[in-house]
Amino acid sequence: GAGVSQSPRYKVAKRGQDVALRCDPISGHVSLFWYQQALGQGPEFLTYFQNEAQLDKSGLPSDRFFAERPEGSVSTLKIQRTQQEDSAVYLCASSLGGQGLEAFFGQGTRLTVV
Amino acid sequence: AQTVTQSQPEMSVQEAETVTLSCTYDTSESDYYLFWYKQPPSRQMILVIRQEAYKQQNATENRFSVNFQKAAKSFSLKISDSQLGDAAMYFCAYRTYGGATNKLIFGTGTLLAVQP
Repeated sequence: GAGVSQSPRYKVAKRGQDVALRCDPISGHVSLFWYQQALGQGPEFLTYFQNEAQLDKSGLPSDRFFAERPEGSVSTLKIQRTQQEDSAVYLCASSLGGQGLEAFFGQGTRLTVV
Repeated sequence: AQTVTQSQPEMSVQEAETVTLSCTYDTSESDYYLFWYKQPPSRQMILVIRQEAYKQQNATENRFSVNFQKAAKSFSLKISDSQLGDAAMYFCAYRTYGGATNKLIFGTGTLLAVQP
């Protein structure tokens, strides 16, 4: 597609459920990022992939969060045993990589944990 | 660690007028990038303008321009001839130059309302 695609757009999960959020980056983009945006806040970095390699996962808040990009294109962010504090918008972004400056964002997935 | 501060949670401007959004940041690095992103209700972050720290000239994109004061660590966004479509959340962001991770560090945002 022409842009970064994320699915689902909205997800409601019961506390304790596992969820999987999908990101389909722009074709050919090497770099892929996940950000978490709490209500009324700016996005915060979660993790970064260069192709299939996860080079930085320093922003993942706990070991319940796991991300993968097995073939260097589509990425999945998985949250196990969801908790209410996980409620947020999860944004995915991709860029050409290297010093490619512009990161293109998807529309995000709004996760609500009840 | 780098931080980005936006001290104006909300701003309002009349259509066709000019508004300036403030941003300050803290870093010990000499080379970096600064960005302004727009986030409408659709949630998709859209790049408005970017500035390379090594460039002294302020960036300009049509009605959008920045005032980059490196010594003061200030990076404000000026929107001229404001339009109704400019209403959105605006985020200032920082990125290290040449870092292993090209991650963005965002401020908390400024909600801009445009009055007709």
